[in-house]
Amino acid sequence: AQRVTQPEKLLSVFKGAPVELKCNYSYSGSPELFWYVQYSRQRLQLLLRHISRESIKGFTADLNKGETSFHLKKPFAQEEDSAMYYCALNTNAGKSTFGDGTTLTVKP
Amino acid sequence: DAGVTQSPTHLIKTRGQQVTLRCSPKSGHDTVSWYQQALGQGPQFIFQYYEEEERQRGNFPDRFSGHQFPNYSSELNVNALLLGDSALYLCASSLLQGGETQYFGPGTRLLVL
Repeated sequence: AQRVTQPEKLLSVFKGAPVELKCNYSYSGSPELFWYVQYSRQRLQLLLRHISRESIKGFTADLNKGETSFHLKKPFAQEEDSAMYYCALNTNAGKSTFGDGTTLTVKP
Repeated sequence: DAGVTQSPTHLIKTRGQQVTLRCSPKSGHDTVSWYQQALGQGPQFIFQYYEEEERQRGNFPDRFSGHQFPNYSSELNVNALLLGDSALYLCASSLLQGGETQYFGPGTRLLVL
C-alpha cells in the first residue's frame, strides 16, 4: 500500500526567506508525484508534478528515490505563497494518495 | 469552461439516510475521481471512473458507490449514512491519456446529524 507523509502540519517563515515543505512517500512501484496548493477560499489546484520538472511560481521539487522524498522548495518566499500545500502520489493504476497537508504562512 | 462543477454545495442529512452527490468534469476530460476530506486531513481516495466503469477503488465500504454517465458526469452515492461520513466530498476530473493531472471541483460539504 502507498503512503504519503507530510511531517509538518504548520510552517511559518518570513518574507524573503527560503522555504522547504517536506514530503516522504512509500510505494513499491514507480510513483508519479505531485504538489497541490489550496489558497484561501479557492479550490485545490495543481502546483507541479515531478515528471514535468518545471518551476512554477518559483517552486521546485526533486524526486529522490533513494530517500523516497519529494520536498517542495522556494528560495525566497512571498506573502502570496501562504496557503495549504498537499503532496500526492499516483500509481499507474490510477489510485491517488494525498498527505495531510502543510499550512504555510509567510509573514511580512 | 466553468471547470469542474459539483452539486449541491452543502447538504445536511440524518443517520441512516442516503445521499447522492453530483459532478460535472472539465470539458474534454473523461475520467472522474472522488475523494473524502475530513477536517484537518488530506483528501482520501474513494474511487475513479473511466468509460462508465469503476477503474480503481480506495479503502471505502460498499456503502459508497458511484456511477459515470455517457457525458462523463458522475454521481457518488452513500447509503446508510453514519456520523463519520460528515466531510467535504471532492470530485476531480482528468484525461486518462494526459498523465492524470487532476482538476478539482469546489466540493460538497456533507453534514450527518
